[in-house]
Formats: sequence, structure tokens, C-alpha cells
Amino acid sequence: KNEVEQSPQNLTAQEGEFITINCSYSVGISALHWLQQHPGGGIVSLFMLSSGKKKHGRLIATINIQEKHSSLHITASHPRDSAVYICAALPPPKLIFGTGTRLQVFP
Amino acid sequence: GAGVSQSPSNKVTEKGKDVELRCDPISGHTALYWYRQSLGQGLEFLIYFQGNSAPDKSGLPSDRFSAERTGGSVSTLTIQRTQQEDSAVYLCASSSSLTGGLKTQYFGPGTRLLVL
Repeated sequence: KNEVEQSPQNLTAQEGEFITINCSYSVGISALHWLQQHPGGGIVSLFMLSSGKKKHGRLIATINIQEKHSSLHITASHPRDSAVYICAALPPPKLIFGTGTRLQVFP
Repeated sequence: GAGVSQSPSNKVTEKGKDVELRCDPISGHTALYWYRQSLGQGLEFLIYFQGNSAPDKSGLPSDRFSAERTGGSVSTLTIQRTQQEDSAVYLCASSSSLTGGLKTQYFGPGTRLLVL
């Protein structure tokens, strides 16, 4: 069993839909990253959180340390949100990655 | 730019040859990480540097892989006697943490290695 599990693996949505990607982990962590990877592109860190909730524009990330679970929400999704979203647990110093969720948003 | 840079961006080599991959972290970042993303696979940790020392090499897949960092800045990942299973995108990241703890890691664009 992977130490970091994501669901779903693939997700398609119509523009404007509310999207949720889930991440569960089994290791002890100090923080959790949500990363975005565009096709052929590099990786960008969207959030790093260790408790509660963070919001940046249309993106919201939450974490429940007791339940070892985190969610990434995208409100009013847009085709430019199409990418692979990866959660990564941080039992310092290294990241342990989930397998990613491939999101496609259609106009 | 002020981001993490990696070179080369692409590398094609023949099985059995040695390759060197370079990472220039963000200036002032003391922590540097190497990760690998194989085709159809997720990202996996290779090695972590704090300054010039590597307290965690646990992810290096074999003794053909080695890495060094000099001057607390540039790092080189060397793969000796490359094998086809080494084909992957090699990613470097850096962070400003002194302890590798709660600091955002910034990723480079990666080096795409293809071993024929």
C-alpha cells in the first residue's frame, strides 16, 4: 500500500464545475504539499499546509491531521486548470508523493 | 530568472554510458533535493542535501547513482553505466530551510533522460 494515496486518478469536468481531489496518507508528517504539473511543464507548489485551510484564488486546500486526510478544491473550474495535481507528504526532509490526479476541464 | 534551473533539459545516451545532470538551486537555498519521475510512474525521492552534505541518500536506486554538491550551491547527479530503466525525468528542487522542514520546495524544469 502506498504511503500517500490520491483519488480519483482521473477526473473530467465541465468548465465552471466545483472539483475535489482527495489525499490520504499513512506516515507522520510535518506538512503536506499540493503540487501542479502541466503537460511537458515543470512542477509548481500550490500549497504547503500543516493544519486547517488555505485559499489562493479559486483554489482551496484543507487538511485534517487527526484523520490523515487532505483535500484540494477548485471552484469555478476553467480549462486552464487542466493538469496533474499531486499531493506530497512531508515527513522532513523529503517529500513522499501520491500518484497524481489527472484533471481535464472542458469548455 | 531567480528560479531553479537544470541542465541539460534533454539528454539521450546509449546504454552503458555515464551521464551528469546539473542543478542550480535558488540563490541562498540551503536545502536541495533530487527526485525522479519515470514514465507512467509517480515521483520518487532520490537524495537530499543540506549545504554540501547529504544526510539522506536513501532513495538512490543503486550504487550507479551518486550526487554531490559544492559551495552549497550547484549539485550534480551522476549516473554511471546507464540502463534503459534509468530513463525518466530527473527533477531538482530547493528550499530555504536550514533543517529541511516546513519550507516550500521550488522545483526546476527537469532533465528528460532517455537511455537507448
